[in-house]
Formats: sequence, structure tokens, C-alpha cells
Amino acid sequence: GAGVSQSPSNKVTEKGKDVELRCDPISGHTALYWYRQSLGQGLEFLIYFQGNSAPDKSGLPSDRFSAERTGGSVSTLTIQRTQQEDSAVYLCASSLVGWDSYNEQFFGPGTRLTVL
Amino acid sequence: AQSVTQLGSHVSVSEGALVLLRCNYSSSVPPYLFWYVQYPNQGLQLLLKYTSAATLVKGINGFEAEFKKSETSFHLTKPSAHMSDAAEYFCAVSDHGGSNYKLTFGKGTLLTVNP
Repeated sequence: GAGVSQSPSNKVTEKGKDVELRCDPISGHTALYWYRQSLGQGLEFLIYFQGNSAPDKSGLPSDRFSAERTGGSVSTLTIQRTQQEDSAVYLCASSLVGWDSYNEQFFGPGTRLTVL
Repeated sequence: AQSVTQLGSHVSVSEGALVLLRCNYSSSVPPYLFWYVQYPNQGLQLLLKYTSAATLVKGINGFEAEFKKSETSFHLTKPSAHMSDAAEYFCAVSDHGGSNYKLTFGKGTLLTVNP
């Protein structure tokens, strides 16, 4: 079956513009995660969704960042008033959720965001 | 809070040589530990995972890792490096309180394989 897909694969924007990044998880996966990969900070957790709710937003770096998930499936990460330090690769992952065993997170290819 | 330390941001080996990538963790609960590989311009792929079963874990592509609680380590090894192993490798620990399995990653180790 299809894996996690993300769009766009690359996004170049000007400082101050808003951007939306999309993630399509694997069908049936109820958990969805956003991570950010940047040169200076490595791989960082941003936000976790269980279904449509986000019980853990602790990794969002500022209030310019927000995310939503609709229908327990597609998720959108929105960055408002982008800054140059937002330049990074944004990775999405999805997994099943089980109470007795770990459920592997499957990662998408990422969206490379460049803020000029 | 959990953390992961990968010793060596860059490791270079010759083809056919032993690969050893080091990972130490800190965790307040029994950890779930993982190694992921990332090839250029691709997402992360799970190599192997430790979830409190056998301490020696075998993964894909001939890699294995051993969980050593006394040393808080989870080093990744492969007996004989292949050119196709050149990639960046990330060690990660899971925060598995409740149902949130978010991953905390190390900074990564770039593996170069020389012919």
C-alpha cells in the first residue's frame, strides 16, 4: 500500500509569507506526528495527533506555527509570517496506536522549506 | 526528560570493515530505542527497534544493536560495510507514556564508506 506522502516536496517562500504543508498518512493510522529537521537543531518533535485532536503540541516553536488534522486523516502544518530560521525539512510520520506494543512510525519524504 | 547522544557526527570506514555507530540515552522510564537511516533526499527508514524484549536486536540490511542497561547504550553495528550503507543514521528514544510515542532523536551520524 501507499506510504506517507507529503506535499509540496519543496517550497520556497519570502520572509513574512504564510505557508501550508500537507501530510497524507497511511490509511488507518490514527497517530500522526510532525517533526522538523534543520542543520542547527537536528530532528525535533513538533506536534502529535491522535485522531483529530492534538494532545501534545509541546514542540511547536512559536505561536506562528499551528497544525490541524481533519477526518482523522490529512494534516496541515501552517507557518505564519515565515522567518529565515523556519527554513528546514518538515517530516510527517504516522503509526497505529496500540496499548501493548510499540507501533512503528512511518515517515514521509519531507517538505523542504526555504525562506528567503 | 529523555535525551540521546550520538558520539561522532561523522564516521568513515572502508568497504568490508566493521561499522560501529555509538548511541547513549537517558530516560526516566524503561526506554524504547530505535535506529533510523536516512539516505540523501529521502525520509527516515526504521533499521531496528528495542522494545524490552531481547537485548540483541537484529534489523534490516545486516545491522544489529545491543541494549546495555548498565551502560545506557544502544550501539549499532554491522560486521562488514557495503558502499550502499553510506547514509545518515539516527538513534532515537521513545516517550511512551500513555499513548504518545513521540521520538527524541540524536544529532545523527553520517557514515561514509570508502572503496
